[in-house]
Amino acid sequence: GENVEQHPSTLSVQEGDSAVIKCTYSDSASNYFPWYKQELGKGPQLIIDIRSNVGEKKDQRIAVTLNKTAKHFSLHITETQPEDSAVYFCAASRDSSYKLIFGSGTRLLVRP
Amino acid sequence: DAGVTQSPTHLIKTRGQHVTLRCSPISGHKSVSWYQQVLGQGPQFIFQYYEKEERGRGNFPDRFSARQFPNYSSELNVNALLLGDSALYLCASSFTQGTYEQYFGPGTRLTVT
Repeated sequence: GENVEQHPSTLSVQEGDSAVIKCTYSDSASNYFPWYKQELGKGPQLIIDIRSNVGEKKDQRIAVTLNKTAKHFSLHITETQPEDSAVYFCAASRDSSYKLIFGSGTRLLVRP
Repeated sequence: DAGVTQSPTHLIKTRGQHVTLRCSPISGHKSVSWYQQVLGQGPQFIFQYYEKEERGRGNFPDRFSARQFPNYSSELNVNALLLGDSALYLCASSFTQGTYEQYFGPGTRLTVT
């Protein structure tokens, strides 16, 4: 069935260091891969996304890479700041699909 | 512009009761999806509605139902509540059914005792 695995479940980094979160998906028909940031008591916030016709996308300190052959995609955060501390979720969906399949989340802690 | 809004913020119900949760999408968005997020897990898809019709349903029992109104707002109904229904219920809106980006509301925290 459709499944997205996400690692690590927790990640602690020093302020200014980089953080990398990795996801693997099972549905080879997936072609849209968003990342969400969820702060305590709030709903998930879309921070970046990538489509299968692109291998990498960057937005300031955040970048996402996609390897369709291996069915892997990753979130990279550079120059981390304390306000980056949150739970991050990866997700995958098919073309024009209504359904996002989420990973289990990564709790990122950025130590000042 | 206002984002996705949901009401109520929190509620507590007893097993066997019924609950109705409400969602208003971003202005101009015509599609609404509902997700259930159990503590410590990622959101799980429940329903999608577009143009007042159900366009998709996740692996949830028939106790869960939803509808969308002419103004594109939506209700999620859950009957015969179980303890396991305790979760954060999230509403997401997108411009059309075929639009990839989904934007989430703050959620409704449901506790079943």
